Amino acid sequence: AQKVTQAQTEISVVEKEDVTLDCVYETRDTTYYLFWYKQPPSGELVFLIRRNSFDEQNEISGRYSWNFQKSTSSFNFTITASQVVDSAVYFCALSEKEWNQAGTALIFGKGTTLSVSS
Amino acid sequence: SAVISQKPSRDICQRGTSLTIQCQVDSQVTMMFWYRQQPGQSLTLIATANQGSEATYESGFVIDKFPISRPNLTFSTLTVSNMSPEDSSIYLCSVASWDSEAFFGQGTRLTVV
Repeated sequence: AQKVTQAQTEISVVEKEDVTLDCVYETRDTTYYLFWYKQPPSGELVFLIRRNSFDEQNEISGRYSWNFQKSTSSFNFTITASQVVDSAVYFCALSEKEWNQAGTALIFGKGTTLSVSS
Repeated sequence: SAVISQKPSRDICQRGTSLTIQCQVDSQVTMMFWYRQQPGQSLTLIATANQGSEATYESGFVIDKFPISRPNLTFSTLTVSNMSPEDSSIYLCSVASWDSEAFFGQGTRLTVV
């Protein structure tokens, strides 16, 4: 069965601290995509990254970085030098390949609420 | 990329009534998805809407409660029927293609009183 686990329900840090959000997934497919989305208090979902199962290279985008490890089925997200504007709920999600390749729904983790104080 | 316009953005409804949420995409897509996000919770898939066929509902969601229309490749509606306070949630439509991210509408924040 497909499943995404975000064990950290809430994290609180002080500005400029580094913070890592954990994501562990389960899937029987060899082809799949992993995503991270940010949901600020306004409610919209902001796309952060998509990673396919064949690309284990870590990625860095500004203060954001992602560590994908298939051996441990993890796709962790690190924010370096956190800022108050990073306060939001962060969701990790999994998408598996459908036979018609028309796109599939996402399976979301429960989310991690990050609070960054000044 | 895809731009999704979802309406209404929010609504307050009386229990027992129905609300229809519209989702318009700026490009043709085969599959559209409807999610529900209950307060403080994650997103749960309600159903998958494929143009030209009946929507496929996930466990716990039924067509009588959440009828979906998909008249063409750029538009879909979700109706929340006979609403109760437990239906108060954010409802989001989404489209996805295998080679791109999943795009989401801005969401409809529904409060049932």
